[in-house]
Amino acid sequence: AQKVTQAQTEISVVEKEDVTLDCVYETRDTTYYLFWYKQPPSGELVFLIRRNSFDEQNEISGRYSWNFQKSTSSFNFTITASQVVDSAVYFCALTNNNAGNMLTFGGGTRLMVKP
Amino acid sequence: DGGITQSPKYLFRKEGQNVTLSCEQNLNHDAMYWYRQDPGQGLRLIYYSQIVNDFQKGDIAEGYSVSREKKESFPLTVTSAQKNPTAFYLCASGVGASSSYEQYFGPGTRLTVT
Repeated sequence: AQKVTQAQTEISVVEKEDVTLDCVYETRDTTYYLFWYKQPPSGELVFLIRRNSFDEQNEISGRYSWNFQKSTSSFNFTITASQVVDSAVYFCALTNNNAGNMLTFGGGTRLMVKP
Repeated sequence: DGGITQSPKYLFRKEGQNVTLSCEQNLNHDAMYWYRQDPGQGLRLIYYSQIVNDFQKGDIAEGYSVSREKKESFPLTVTSAQKNPTAFYLCASGVGASSSYEQYFGPGTRLTVT
């Protein structure tokens, strides 16, 4: 069985603050894939990043960065200098080659960025 | 524009009626997925299809049915056997045949059954 936990259900910050969204996962497989998706108020999920279990390099894309730590089974997401447009629900997700093509989602973190 | 379309955005039905939600993609993706999202929760997989004329049940397939007659289309029927059908339904297509590849989502259909 696999599981994704996003302990923060809601976070509220003021514009320009940095914010980190936590994601902790559980899996027994050595090969697995982690994802982050953004769900703005319009409803559709937007793909942000995919990371496989053999690639522990942290990644930066503009104001977004991801910290993957296998030792703590975490894949945290940081937004630097947050903007109002970052307000959304963010989902962390996990799959592996034995998951029967199933992506397991965390419960999501609602981020509210106030002007 | 390449992407996934779902229609309609909002759908209302009376209890006991079957309803079909459409999903079309022009991304030339082999894999397609249907998810259900309930308020304040993550997504749960209903059905997926890796290739035309083939599909598999997900975690919560009971009360739903699908077909995959064309690569571009993956309609979902919510039957009267689904005990709690009111939810937000999201369709996705996948870059690769397995879930290890990123998925691209449509705008969703919000179904309300009264």
